Amino acid sequence: KAGVTQTPRYLIKTRGQQVTLSCSPISGHRSVSWYQQTPGQGLQFLFEYFSETQRNKGNFPGRFSGRQFSNSRSEMNVSTLELGDSALYLCASSLISVGSYEQYFGPGTRLTVT
Amino acid sequence: GEDVEQSLFLSVREGDSSVINCTYTDSSSTYLYWYKQEPGAGLQLLTYIFSNMDMKQDQRLTVLLNKKDKHLSLRIADTQTGDSAIYFCAEKLQFSGNTGKLIFGQGTTLQVKP
Repeated sequence: KAGVTQTPRYLIKTRGQQVTLSCSPISGHRSVSWYQQTPGQGLQFLFEYFSETQRNKGNFPGRFSGRQFSNSRSEMNVSTLELGDSALYLCASSLISVGSYEQYFGPGTRLTVT
Repeated sequence: GEDVEQSLFLSVREGDSSVINCTYTDSSSTYLYWYKQEPGAGLQLLTYIFSNMDMKQDQRLTVLLNKKDKHLSLRIADTQTGDSAIYFCAEKLQFSGNTGKLIFGQGTTLQVKP
């Protein structure tokens, strides 16, 4: 089975621009979660999508948004980029069913804002 | 509150056992996870344990859980140089319908000396 895939792997953007990151979960997995990893704040939860609906949201400003498609693929969008948005963005997929509690992560998208 | 604490660094000799410790604060956490992150990579799920278990063994990995003290440990037997990485402990805060979010520790850098 293919793992979680994220595109692009690397991205360089300028302050004020907007960016869209993509995540394809493991086949059959219906939940996708997004996390931001920075040296200062560590790993922080952004949001979780399940069945095309945002189920949970972390403590991030409204510039961070996401969506999930009917095939469970998810995108996250960051508008009006700030220098502090430079981070590794990780996506995780899970089955969300009784007896299955694993969350598998993709390789991440490294975003650099200049 | 939501807080997971880990020591930041551990150095061992190849062939020795490594023990990485973690404490968490939320007594309602149902699952606790260990992830491994190598440089430039995403998070690799190593193992997880239910909060009603005391121990779980998986090949060279042993997880011990002391729920009373909210203490989790990961023991790696016969540590190899390929085990050098950052190890993250995470607790899952469960929301409705088995959705939830992971709260991560700061990560423990394991250095394995030949």
